[in-house]
Amino acid sequence: AQSVTQLDSQVPVFEEAPVELRCNYSSSVSVYLFWYVQYPNQGLQLLLKYLSGSTLVESINGFEAEFNKSQTSFHLRKPSVHISDTAEYFCAVSPRRGSQGNLIFGKGTKLSVKP
Amino acid sequence: NAGVMQNPRHLVRRRGQEARLRCSPMKGHSHVYWYRQLPEEGLKFMVYLQKENIIDESGMPKERFSAEFPKEGPSILRIQQVVRGDSAAYFCASSPLVQVQETQYFGPGTRLLVL
Repeated sequence: AQSVTQLDSQVPVFEEAPVELRCNYSSSVSVYLFWYVQYPNQGLQLLLKYLSGSTLVESINGFEAEFNKSQTSFHLRKPSVHISDTAEYFCAVSPRRGSQGNLIFGKGTKLSVKP
Repeated sequence: NAGVMQNPRHLVRRRGQEARLRCSPMKGHSHVYWYRQLPEEGLKFMVYLQKENIIDESGMPKERFSAEFPKEGPSILRIQQVVRGDSAAYFCASSPLVQVQETQYFGPGTRLLVL
């Protein structure tokens, strides 16, 4: 079985400050890793994903995440946040084998960017 | 190309009534996943369907919940005799292929409130 832990339920930051949202997972098999973002009253949107290759993956809006196998982590970072980044962020995993593709989510981290 | 559509967006039911939630996947997508998001929780997988087939319902409660994805029309998640604990946001996601790493596209969700 797999589980995902997002240690911070809420992260308040000021605009233009750097931010890191932490994600750790537990799994006995190899997994794919995802970050989704949910804006208020909307569905989830894929932010970025790690499938294979380079352990550092980037999104089009400046976020990046690094897969660390030894620490079983996939932390999300952005060097300078904007007000529009205010949203809830979910880390998720899916086993590489033996799965029908369903995602296992963490409880989410609410990012609040203040002016 | 319209995204994943869900209706209604908000649904209020009294205890004991039935709730029907609809999901129209993106055009060309034949795989549908349903997830439930309880307050202050991450999304939990419920069921995975392909056209006319339930592939994985390991996350569905044993009683009162059912899902279908007919040959024609939207996927339906049906909750009979709703209870207050069913109050949650229900999200549908679709993908074009069954490959685990294929991106799932989420709808805006249906927020069910049971009085």
